[in-house]
Amino acid sequence: DAKTTQPNSMESNEEEPVHLPCNHSTISGTDYIHWYRQLPSQGPEYVIHGLTSNVNNRMASLAIAEDRKSSTLILHRATLRDAAVYYCILRDYSGNTPLVFGKGTRLSVIA
Amino acid sequence: NAGVTQTPKFQVLKTGQSMTLQCAQDMNHNSMYWYRQDPGMGLRLIYYSASEGTTDKGEVPNGYNVSRLNKREFSLRLESAAPSQTSVYFCASSEGELAGVRNEQFFGPGTRLTVL
Repeated sequence: DAKTTQPNSMESNEEEPVHLPCNHSTISGTDYIHWYRQLPSQGPEYVIHGLTSNVNNRMASLAIAEDRKSSTLILHRATLRDAAVYYCILRDYSGNTPLVFGKGTRLSVIA
Repeated sequence: NAGVTQTPKFQVLKTGQSMTLQCAQDMNHNSMYWYRQDPGMGLRLIYYSASEGTTDKGEVPNGYNVSRLNKREFSLRLESAAPSQTSVYFCASSEGELAGVRNEQFFGPGTRLTVL
């Protein structure tokens, strides 16, 4: 499996935008980029996914570099409820493989 | 819709004891998964079941067995618990092969297991 690299931790002020980076220099042409997050004492939950184009949903935006070797999850206005560990995961186009989790980025949000 | 439920929520075992962690989903999903999460780490896949009647090993299967009892239920058994199996165990489910690229995995609340 192609691997991802994320910073161990990041900090943000409440109501500020947050940009969570992910490097995946060995991504293959058929790998999709998925993001999940894990709130304290809960199981992970889906955030967003994309292939090449930037993607938006109600939770976040995903910006993908033109060469696809990196991506950025954008939370437009961080709230205290967004404090979580964010995982960037590569998954093949079939979507039928289990998720492979790294250590993720622990996001702290300061009021 | 309860989603994915796990029992028990907490368990303390002595070394050598056995136990079964139960997982059930009410979303009519085909695929189910068992992960473990050690402190400060990401989740690691123990076993998964792509569809009813099939199971496959994940990254860390040693010391565990699984049973896909029916489409709804997927249990994880520790035959002889060891302190190294102290962890939080998460069960998850997803629609499976026909779901397309997103094939979102839905996670249960976890079981916190301590082996003394």
